[in-house]
Amino acid sequence: ILNVEQSPQSLHVQEGDSTNFTCSFPSSNFYALHWYRWETAKSPEALFVMTLNGDEKKKGRISATLNTKEGYSYLYIKGSQPEDSATYLCARGGNKLTFGTGTQLKVEL
Amino acid sequence: DAGVIQSPRHEVTEMGQEVTLRCKPISGHDYLFWYRQTMMRGLELLIYFNNNVPIDDSGMPEDRFSAKMPNASFSTLKIQPSEPRDSAVYFCASSSDRAYEQYFGPGTRLTVT
Repeated sequence: ILNVEQSPQSLHVQEGDSTNFTCSFPSSNFYALHWYRWETAKSPEALFVMTLNGDEKKKGRISATLNTKEGYSYLYIKGSQPEDSATYLCARGGNKLTFGTGTQLKVEL
Repeated sequence: DAGVIQSPRHEVTEMGQEVTLRCKPISGHDYLFWYRQTMMRGLELLIYFNNNVPIDDSGMPEDRFSAKMPNASFSTLKIQPSEPRDSAVYFCASSSDRAYEQYFGPGTRLTVT
């Protein structure tokens, strides 16, 4: 992995479904992995910053895990709600961030 | 705190004109970042400052772009002369040296015709 890659590119789920998406990144010279939530017509909002292999972070119905050895992070949303609809970005780095292209989530009623 | 403040929110200008974007970071934050967001390239870092000093400007596309931070509460990103391919949303963000979370401003949507 040379760049930060996210999958899937987009996702449509029904209200109440649980979902997850993946961020893959170069595992060498790892510093930190960030998750941001970006709603349409707004600006990115920080969700989590993780630095240690095996880190797990949780904020309400959203949680994330980190594997620095194999270079991936998962973001989970439990019981999706329409207000969760947004683009979820991951980024690798401390201060100098390299962003993935995001996973666009649409939660339908 | 009001968060990161950017102005203007929208800018429409003609090719060849000078454009200046402004940013006020969150008070007490030591880091300031300028990003550009386009459909083709996503969100990319242009330059960042620490304690008003430019640390990494490797993302600045060319000499037409310049950024300054004369004090801890103000930064500018200037494009001179502007070109249609500079059309994008430009975000400013700031963070403290105690945490890596970056707080983004609302962005400036630039259109160069």
